[in-house]
Amino acid sequence: AQTVTQSQPEMSVQEAETVTLSCTYDTSENNYYLFWYKQPPSRQMILVIRQEAYKQQNATENRFSVNFQKAAKSFSLKISDSQLGDTAMYFCAFIWSGSEKLVFGKGTKLTVNP
Amino acid sequence: KAGVTQTPRYLIKTRGQQVTLSCSPISGHRSVSWYQQTPGQGLQFLFEYFSETQRNKGNFPGRFSGRQFSNSRSEMNVSTLELGDSALYLCASSFRRGQETQYFGPGTRLLVL
Repeated sequence: AQTVTQSQPEMSVQEAETVTLSCTYDTSENNYYLFWYKQPPSRQMILVIRQEAYKQQNATENRFSVNFQKAAKSFSLKISDSQLGDTAMYFCAFIWSGSEKLVFGKGTKLTVNP
Repeated sequence: KAGVTQTPRYLIKTRGQQVTLSCSPISGHRSVSWYQQTPGQGLQFLFEYFSETQRNKGNFPGRFSGRQFSNSRSEMNVSTLELGDSALYLCASSFRRGQETQYFGPGTRLLVL
């Protein structure tokens, strides 16, 4: 079975600082994609970043970057220069070749403090 | 492009009733997936539709069903509602099947009393 584990239920960070959210996954598949989604209090799920497993280069999107360690099955999200608007639930998700369903972790609640 | 839209946004029903939720995907997207989000179980996959056919189904009872129309709009139906069906129901669309990024709608919050 494919599983995604987010070991940090809650985290907090001061505005302008850097924070890293952890995610590990378990799969026997070789061809898959990983995602980080953000869900603010408004409940809209927003894509933050995506990583193709076949790519060695870590994905980056402005202040957001990932550390993808395929052998360790680890996919952490680094948020630089944290902003108040980054306050949200962050979900790590995984989808593999031949499947259409995203498998989500339980989420990490991130609070950015002024 | 307009994003994924879902209607209604909020719904209150009583046990035993049935409910229909609607999802309009991003223009040009042909795959629509549905997820249920609850505090206890987190985000769980319900089903996926592509070209008006259900392609995948999650581990939910037969009370949960859906369909997709020729314009890719999708509906999901829950019959004989139970208290445990109270949840946020999220719809997501993608351009194709197969590892495409899924873009989510704002969700429908269903409360069953």
